[in-house]
Amino acid sequence: EAQVTQNPRYLITVTGKKLTVTCSQNMNHEYMSWYRQDPGLGLRQIYYSMNVEVTDKGDVPEGYKVSRKEKRNFPLILESPSPNQTSLYFCATGLAALRGNEQFFGPGTRLTVL
Amino acid sequence: GNSVTQMEGPVTLSEEAFLTINCTYTATGYPSLFWYVQYPGEGLQLLLKATKADDKGSNKGFEATYRKETTSFHLEKGSVQVSDSAVYFCALSDPNFGNEKLTFGTGTRLTIIP
Repeated sequence: EAQVTQNPRYLITVTGKKLTVTCSQNMNHEYMSWYRQDPGLGLRQIYYSMNVEVTDKGDVPEGYKVSRKEKRNFPLILESPSPNQTSLYFCATGLAALRGNEQFFGPGTRLTVL
Repeated sequence: GNSVTQMEGPVTLSEEAFLTINCTYTATGYPSLFWYVQYPGEGLQLLLKATKADDKGSNKGFEATYRKETTSFHLEKGSVQVSDSAVYFCALSDPNFGNEKLTFGTGTRLTIIP
């Protein structure tokens, strides 16, 4: 079954404690991306990757890091989380970014930073 | 920059009512346009898309037509069901980047009452 998985699904943490949210896909997709969803703001792109070792900033990259060492995995790293990073996070994947291609979303990770 | 403006919600309708959710966009060139749907507790999934002017996307009884002259991509359904209750997002892909940069609207929450 084609899947995008995220872990953890829920996380409550404290300011400054480093955390990693994992994203994994079994569809052999080149493209992967992270979004955050906030009320009244829709989804905003944090980082994306076109392939292994190729990453680029989205619209709201501050405070986040990513890596793409394997095609199937694209972890999101918060080195020093702050309360304004409390949000719902989605990983998405797709074939090479051709015009009109669909993105497949994971189930989301709800992060609360106290 | 690119932007997507969609109808404010929430929207509440009775079963079998006609649905329209408005979406307008700002972009240079010719973006691809999408409607994604988010059911409770899940990630987003593609509902329909259109990649060029005058294209009509359709799926599950929903339709939207890419109108270049009015920069719009309104979502319609002739007879809604309770199972259509969800949050709907209009999105566009940056014509200069392909699909790796998606811009989303803020989402419209739809509730259908039996």
